[in-house]
Amino acid sequence: GIQVEQSPPDLILQEGANSTLRCNFSDSVNNLQWFHQNPWGQLINLFYIPSGTKQNGRLSATTVATERYSLLYISSSQTTDSGVYFCAGGGIQGAQKLVFGQGTRLTINP
Amino acid sequence: DAGVIQSPRHEVTEMGQEVTLRCKPISGHDYLFWYRQTMMRGLELLIYFNNNVPIDDSGMPEDRFSAKMPNASFSTLKIQPSEPRDSAVYFCAAGRGGPGTQYFGPGTRLTVL
Repeated sequence: GIQVEQSPPDLILQEGANSTLRCNFSDSVNNLQWFHQNPWGQLINLFYIPSGTKQNGRLSATTVATERYSLLYISSSQTTDSGVYFCAGGGIQGAQKLVFGQGTRLTINP
Repeated sequence: DAGVIQSPRHEVTEMGQEVTLRCKPISGHDYLFWYRQTMMRGLELLIYFNNNVPIDDSGMPEDRFSAKMPNASFSTLKIQPSEPRDSAVYFCAAGRGGPGTQYFGPGTRLTVL
């Protein structure tokens, strides 16, 4: 099945910094989502982005499906951005079956 | 809409006991997913339903695990008998239509002693 790799595993930044998180997937995907898990454990969907670019406030994401990767950009980081960011992909067959990466743990210090 | 509702939020039980986790999905969302999160294995899909019908249960770890969706408003995940290695956070998620955004519930933290 599809495999999802995220980098970096950990990222520590100061408030106000920008960051880029990367997600590589081993096969073509028909479904690609980014999630944020906050320190209380809640999983929040950030983007559904199987291809192209989307923006939501300080966050944006780009998926280059032909090259099998996706990027999540966070600008002007705030302490509330801390948590774990997950990328999840679903293959061409059974796109609803999301396979999650291991996540990037982001810590934003004041 | 209230979002995905899960109960209980925390469950502590002893090995060998039956555990039932409950999920109320978002109204109008025809897909329901059960996930498990552990430190060792991360987030993994256990089973998912479409229009109350189980579509793929290949992620269910063993016969001790079973899931049902008797109607569009309710699903259960049952573990019988429970074992300490079942300790994890179990999430229910809802989706609508084809591949698309999945909305997660708050999770149930299960501890099996």
